[in-house]
Amino acid sequence: DIVMTQSPDSLVVSLGERATINCKSSQSILSSSNNKNYLAWYQQKPGQPPKLLIYWASTRESGVPDRLSGSGSGTDFTLTISSLQAEDVAVYYCQQYFGSPTFGQGTKLEIK
Amino acid sequence: EVQLVESGGGLVQPGGSLRLSCAASGFTFSTYSMNWVRQAPGKGLEWVSYIDSSSGTVYYADSVKGRFTISRDNAKSSLYLQMNGLRAEDTAVYYCARNLGSGGSFCYDHWGQGTLVTVSS
Repeated sequence: DIVMTQSPDSLVVSLGERATINCKSSQSILSSSNNKNYLAWYQQKPGQPPKLLIYWASTRESGVPDRLSGSGSGTDFTLTISSLQAEDVAVYYCQQYFGSPTFGQGTKLEIK
Repeated sequence: EVQLVESGGGLVQPGGSLRLSCAASGFTFSTYSMNWVRQAPGKGLEWVSYIDSSSGTVYYADSVKGRFTISRDNAKSSLYLQMNGLRAEDTAVYYCARNLGSGGSFCYDHWGQGTLVTVSS
């Protein structure tokens, strides 16, 4: 199985500041046939199911604010929140779907 | 509006069985592949099982292979997970989740609220 490792495990950021979460896969999840990275990002708030934010590493799901963005390719990926808002407090997960689906361990984002 | 509503969770003894259901509405269920994903209390997400739109292809995580069976009834817009030989480590909230696109392995654009399965004596 492809192992997904997120860093950091937790992150404390001030309102209005940038938050960056990293995700590394144990092997490349870039397909040579379609040049797409099989990487998604989710947000999960307490007591709620995960919500899809980003897929194909950088495609924003409908309704997701543009202050959230995804980048990266191959084995290294980043979720960036450009200006942290109170509603962004959550746990964030990356997921690869290149092989049998696996998730990162999660990154807890809090406000300073 | 897409809705996925799970049911069937509860407390079961080790070695016991449980059948989870997921009722879908707000979309053409028969055209989407579906999944079960679980989350142990306070832990991360683990994909459990996949079924394609016609039930022709199913996949399982190694941790549940041979014990769990995924199925669906397109006429009833429902997804199921039959869980046998339950173990303490199967304790989790079980979510049904819709594939964003076609293909066996994908990401999930809609999730239910989940149903809690507790395996304990």
